[in-house]
Amino acid sequence: AQKVTQAQTEISVVEKEDVTLDCVYETRDTTYYLFWYKQPPSGELVFLIRRNSFDEQNEISGRYSWNFQKSTSSFNFTITASQVVDSAVYFCALSEGSNDYKLSFGAGTTVTVRA
Amino acid sequence: GAGVSQSPRYKVAKRGQDVALRCDPISGHVSLFWYQQALGQGPEFLTYFQNEAQLDKSGLPSDRFFAERPEGSVSTLKIQRTQQEDSAVYLCASSSPPWGTNLAKNIQYFGAGTRLSVL
Repeated sequence: AQKVTQAQTEISVVEKEDVTLDCVYETRDTTYYLFWYKQPPSGELVFLIRRNSFDEQNEISGRYSWNFQKSTSSFNFTITASQVVDSAVYFCALSEGSNDYKLSFGAGTTVTVRA
Repeated sequence: GAGVSQSPRYKVAKRGQDVALRCDPISGHVSLFWYQQALGQGPEFLTYFQNEAQLDKSGLPSDRFFAERPEGSVSTLKIQRTQQEDSAVYLCASSSPPWGTNLAKNIQYFGAGTRLSVL
């Protein structure tokens, strides 16, 4: 069963628009971690953020912000005032329980920002 | 080097050939991971090393897949008798401390991957 669902396959926006990427996860563990990674065309996965299941506080880092809601099992990511350099595939991932080194990734959302 | 380095970046193999993919983790990183990323999908876990010990190989899809890290640094993922379904990007990641000993540092840093095409 898919543990992480990213329902949006592709999103295209014009520069300076905001874009929100949805992530819904499924786990029975009370202790788990959620991640977002960015994969630019060069291929490497770039770490963006990690949150643990006990910290629902939203976080902002520059133009990036994350909304974690345990009630809806969601961990959404918003890019404010998007730029062309934000064009990439974005992955949400979950690690859980005693094997929390094992990341379970969603299928990714491709974001294209047009000038 | 500054990041995780993988070589080759691209590999084309004929069906039935053996291939070896190399990963150089960030210097000093104890934990090392391999993932397989099929086209249009997210990465899937293959195996995990702590130093030279392979602690989890539950994600290896068949006994044709073999990974090693003999000196606790460089790792090699070997695929024997390659099949077309093995075509994917193989990603390596490393992390600083033994996993679970320092939660603040339990971040996996990824390389750019090796794209394997089996014809």
